[in-house]
Amino acid sequence: GEDVEQSLFLSVREGDSSVINCTYTDSSSTYLYWYKQEPGAGLQLLTYIFSNMDMKQDQRLTVLLNKKDKHLSLRIADTQTGDSAIYFCAGGPWGGGNKLTFGTGTQLKVEL
Amino acid sequence: GAVVSQHPSRVICKSGTSVKIECRSLDFQATTMFWYRQFPKQSLMLMATSNEGSKATYEQGVEKDKFLINHASLTLSTLTVTSAHPEDSSFYICSALGGAYMNTEAFFGQGTRLTVV
Repeated sequence: GEDVEQSLFLSVREGDSSVINCTYTDSSSTYLYWYKQEPGAGLQLLTYIFSNMDMKQDQRLTVLLNKKDKHLSLRIADTQTGDSAIYFCAGGPWGGGNKLTFGTGTQLKVEL
Repeated sequence: GAVVSQHPSRVICKSGTSVKIECRSLDFQATTMFWYRQFPKQSLMLMATSNEGSKATYEQGVEKDKFLINHASLTLSTLTVTSAHPEDSSFYICSALGGAYMNTEAFFGQGTRLTVV
């Protein structure tokens, strides 16, 4: 099966940019997703990128996909304390849920 | 987006007992629900897919007799961990797909932290 790896922890100062990285082994995923989980809440879909795209920008979020290196990243510009959460990358078909393979999650801590 | 409620959020049970976890779609009809498990410092792993009114489809390595899934209505799926053991201690999370969101995204519950002592 696919392996999806993320670093477990990232700490940034408020106002700085955060970059969360993800590497994966299976290149057959049609879509690659980023989910956010705040304490006590479910996973919230933040953004996604189709596998034939290199970059997608959505307000403060920028997703970069390097298919050659099988590397996905999420950049959060002007990080705020409300961005503190666990971020999961995942790959799979469109429609979420079914057959998604998740990373271990990266805990982002934003400090004042 | 839609709301999926999972209950309980935390549960501690004695070894050998059974625990039921509920997953409810509050504002849409969930024709399909998914159950995931996450061990510490590991990925969320899909355990099973359940469609309303039919038997769940389990992923390889997941014991269907141990993890009983019932999806009897379009708004409720339950996962029962039978004869729980300490190695079943994990974070269980459900997601639901259906209605107007059928072809877009699945919505996740907040997860259940199960500790078996």
